[in-house]
Amino acid sequence: GENVEQHPSTLSVQEGDSAVIKCTYSDSASNYFPWYKQELGKGPQLIIDIRSNVGEKKDQRIAVTLNKTAKHFSLHITETQPEDSAVYFCAASKGPRNQAGTALIFGKGTTLSVSS
Amino acid sequence: NAGVTQTPKFQVLKTGQSMTLQCAQDMNHNSMYWYRQDPGMGLRLIYYSASEGTTDKGEVPNGYNVSRLNKREFSLRLESAAPSQTSVYFCASSPNPGTVSETQYFGPGTRLLVL
Repeated sequence: GENVEQHPSTLSVQEGDSAVIKCTYSDSASNYFPWYKQELGKGPQLIIDIRSNVGEKKDQRIAVTLNKTAKHFSLHITETQPEDSAVYFCAASKGPRNQAGTALIFGKGTTLSVSS
Repeated sequence: NAGVTQTPKFQVLKTGQSMTLQCAQDMNHNSMYWYRQDPGMGLRLIYYSASEGTTDKGEVPNGYNVSRLNKREFSLRLESAAPSQTSVYFCASSPNPGTVSETQYFGPGTRLLVL
């Protein structure tokens, strides 16, 4: 089955710096790669996602890149702010776009700390 | 809209006791999921329901049962709780198949402690 590895497990940056979190996946059939942010005491919330037919996607200060050949994808946060401090999870899934109930396999998470 | 709601927020059980975790969504989503989150382990899928009337095992189903009561509600039952089931449990839902978004929307979680 699918396995998703996520690095680093913790990341500390200064406010204004960039942060990069990397994930690798094992199943070449995976075609959907979301990133979730989890704040303390809350459930995960989607921040950005990418499909396998796209190499990069950007949303303001957040971007995700995908390298299908190497089977890895990365989250890039620029101009970090203290409110970016949270646990970030990558995930992977496969299946037709219109298939109900496609299960996500999550990485183990990265705790990002942004100090001011 | 409340989104995904879970009850209770926190529960303490003794080994061998049973309990049901409740989950409801008001977004008219077809699919619902139960995950558990343990320190350093990320989120692991316990069971999911692709649509009303169907349920399937996920990565870690042993010791759990589920019921898709209707389109809105998906419950998780522990028949005989064990300390290894101490965890934070998250319910999630995702939109109908064929829509643009595949986002899974998560509830706030239930923190379960089994003594």
